[in-house]
Amino acid sequence: GENVEQHPSTLSVQEGDSAVIKCTYSDSASNYFPWYKQELGKGPQLIIDIRSNVGEKKDQRIAVTLNKTAKHFSLHITETQPEDSAVYFCAASITHRGSTLGRLYFGRGTQLTVWP
Amino acid sequence: DTEVTQTPKHLVMGMTNKKSLKCEQHMGHRAMYWYKQKAKKPPELMFVYSYEKLSINESVPSRFSPECPNSSLLNLHLHALQPEDSALYLCASSLRAGTDTQYFGPGTRLTVL
Repeated sequence: GENVEQHPSTLSVQEGDSAVIKCTYSDSASNYFPWYKQELGKGPQLIIDIRSNVGEKKDQRIAVTLNKTAKHFSLHITETQPEDSAVYFCAASITHRGSTLGRLYFGRGTQLTVWP
Repeated sequence: DTEVTQTPKHLVMGMTNKKSLKCEQHMGHRAMYWYKQKAKKPPELMFVYSYEKLSINESVPSRFSPECPNSSLLNLHLHALQPEDSALYLCASSLRAGTDTQYFGPGTRLTVL
């Protein structure tokens, strides 16, 4: 099955700095890569996702880049704020039209702390 | 609106009890999922329902019994659980299984005494 590695496991930044979290995947058939933010005591919240036909996607302060050749993708958060503090999970999935598979392969998570 | 609701928020049960977790979505999604999440770990897939039919069971012990009464509702029936089953149980849904974004609910924090 797919194996997703995520680094770093913890990341501390000063408010206003940028944060970068990196993930690699093993199965070249993976074609969908979501990022989830999970605050303490809450469920994972989708913050951005990218499909393999796109190299980069931005949404305000958040961007995701994908390098299919190297099989890695990254989350970039600019102008970090204390409310960005949370655990971030990357995931990879193989999607097939008509398939009943719904399996997300998650990375182990990154605890991001933004200091005021 | 991408809301998945789960009840109860917290549940404490003894090893001989029978309880149920409930998940609901009104987004017209036809795929629903149960995940188990231990502290400081990623969610682990337990079950996938597609068009109200069970399509994936990740070798989950029979003390966990899922049910999908209709396209908006997903239940997880619990019986004779063990203390190691204590975890956050997450429900998710997507438009269809295998092709679409999964949206998670807030979870039920389960403690087995």
